[in-house]
Amino acid sequence: NAGVTQTPKFRVLKTGQSMTLLCAQDMNHEYMYWYRQDPGMGLRLIHYSVGEGTTAKGEVPDGYNVSRLKKQNFLLGLESAAPSQTSVYFCASSYPLMVLYGYTFGSGTRLTVV
Amino acid sequence: DQQVKQNSPSLSVQEGRISILNCDYTNSMFDYFLWYKKYPAEGPTFLISISSIKDKNEDGRFTVFLNKSAKHLSLHIVPSQPGDSAVYFCAASPNTGNQFYFGTGTSLTVIP
Repeated sequence: NAGVTQTPKFRVLKTGQSMTLLCAQDMNHEYMYWYRQDPGMGLRLIHYSVGEGTTAKGEVPDGYNVSRLKKQNFLLGLESAAPSQTSVYFCASSYPLMVLYGYTFGSGTRLTVV
Repeated sequence: DQQVKQNSPSLSVQEGRISILNCDYTNSMFDYFLWYKKYPAEGPTFLISISSIKDKNEDGRFTVFLNKSAKHLSLHIVPSQPGDSAVYFCAASPNTGNQFYFGTGTSLTVIP
């Protein structure tokens, strides 16, 4: 089925470890986003990309890096995980200039940093 | 500072009645407003939207109202159904449309 696929779905990391979250979409969307969801905070934008090879910072970019080497993939990296990065991470994608049609979200990655 | 606020964490409504979910925002530059619905262990799914040039948008049982002077929007669901039980997020963006700010969500329970 067409959509946004996130890998992995669950992960437990130790403080200081690194990892990469993968997001893949097969809808030929130009725009891709990484959000984190925390209790009482809603969804907050970490980084986003408006096209292959481009990235930009969102509301809460510190401690994360991203890459968009291929149009269909958007990677979120944690170089040195901290307990404050325990969260549920959502990837999303959309067409440009079709803002009012919303984003397509993946099902999320639940990350716990101990 | 939270730019989009949903002050009611939860709401319970009887099946068949109207559900009204509210959202307030602080940034007068917001032009686009969306509502998403989220079930547990799933990503949010787009529900309905409105731009700042309109004050109402309707799609079946769902209607979104925008009051720009009050910086307030609301989602009406009529009639409410048990399958509507979910967390609802409102989101707002300036005219670039590439950075949406989300509220904290309202958990709706529709009682059969």
